[in-house]
Amino acid sequence: NAGVTQTPKFQVLKTGQSMTLQCAQDMNHEYMSWYRQDPGMGLRLIHYSVGAGITDQGEVPNGYNVSRSTTEDFPLRLLSAAPSQTSVYFCASRRDNGNTIYFGEGSWLTVV
Amino acid sequence: AQSVAQPEDQVNVAEGNPLTVKCTYSVSGNPYLFWYVQYPNRGLQFLLKYITGDNLVKGSYGFEAEFNKSQTSFHLKKPSALVSDSALYFCAVRDKTDSSYKLIFGSGTRLLVRP
Repeated sequence: NAGVTQTPKFQVLKTGQSMTLQCAQDMNHEYMSWYRQDPGMGLRLIHYSVGAGITDQGEVPNGYNVSRSTTEDFPLRLLSAAPSQTSVYFCASRRDNGNTIYFGEGSWLTVV
Repeated sequence: AQSVAQPEDQVNVAEGNPLTVKCTYSVSGNPYLFWYVQYPNRGLQFLLKYITGDNLVKGSYGFEAEFNKSQTSFHLKKPSALVSDSALYFCAVRDKTDSSYKLIFGSGTRLLVRP
């Protein structure tokens, strides 16, 4: 069972570069989300989606874009990376009315 | 607005002793409450949840949590700690009436169990 798969696991970017963090789930979950984890701040919601074609902003959406063209995939795009976006990023999914959320293994991003 | 507070950055306990990791929450409606654990360089793993019913919830690895509505708390407990329980623990809340299903996390508490 693959669950939630994130790639890449590690990435170093230069300020101003763009990149996409990939997230895929094979559980046919309607709800998917992206969080960032920073020391002392827990997990903060960046963007979420309640189904294909539907996305919405979380607590800290600035600097990030998402799209949801399929149920399985929910990529996170950094348009112009900044050092403040250095963080660990987690993708998560669950059934739309389910309560247990499943996390990917994380993507460690460093912006220099 | 929903919020979760984990007042302790770190909890230290000796192996074999009981442990408690504290969590308080704030929601406008009734809460769904969760505990997750994170081991180094890994994603979060689900431990247990309170949806409705009994206030004492039992979860994975011998952990349990007690929902206290009057104190708006959901403390995580284990009768006898193991060194392998050392990890980062997150409490999370979701408002039952929030149709966006957003889950709000606390800042995390690091549990260190000494041999």
